[in-house]
Amino acid sequence: GNSVTQMEGPVTLSEEAFLTINCTYTATGYPSLFWYVQYPGEGLQLLLKATKADDKGSNKGFEATYRKETTSFHLEKGSVQVSDSAVYFCALSAPNTGNQFYFGTGTSLTVIP
Amino acid sequence: KAGVTQTPRYLIKTRGQQVTLSCSPISGHRSVSWYQQTPGQGLQFLFEYFSETQRNKGNFPGRFSGRQFSNSRSEMNVSTLELGDSALYLCASSSETGPQNIQYFGAGTRLSVL
Repeated sequence: GNSVTQMEGPVTLSEEAFLTINCTYTATGYPSLFWYVQYPGEGLQLLLKATKADDKGSNKGFEATYRKETTSFHLEKGSVQVSDSAVYFCALSAPNTGNQFYFGTGTSLTVIP
Repeated sequence: KAGVTQTPRYLIKTRGQQVTLSCSPISGHRSVSWYQQTPGQGLQFLFEYFSETQRNKGNFPGRFSGRQFSNSRSEMNVSTLELGDSALYLCASSSETGPQNIQYFGAGTRLSVL
């Protein structure tokens, strides 16, 4: 079946620290992988995506590389800001499942000045 | 271009009642998916509609139903509400279908069942 396992939170970092949020997946076929971010009181916003092995998605200083050999899609940022405080969701979309997304449990990030 | 619009933003209902939530997708998008978000279960897929047809359905009881209109707007209905139905219900739209398509989410409807 299809599933996503995501690093448990919450995560608290100081401003300018390095961020890694781990995400691994199980999927039939070749999925596309996504990171979404949710700010308080809002819906989910796409942060980045990768559609095939070795693709690197990047946006706003965040990066994630689609690693087929380790079935992983870890999110990284070199220097976090207070404004990055939010909940981050790893997700996959698999072939022959329409637009159904499978989400991880979410990782809450708090960045303190 | 306007984003995905969900109405109402907040709802309070009592056990046994029914509720209808509405979702207007991004103009031109034909696919609408619904998700339930709770602290305990996270984000769970309810169903997807594409061109007025239900394409895919998650593992929820029959009390949860939906439909899509010819203008791609979608409604979700929950009958005989239970306390455990309290959640944030998110709608997402997409232009096409397939694993590479991005889903764009609305802000959600927060349902509280008392």
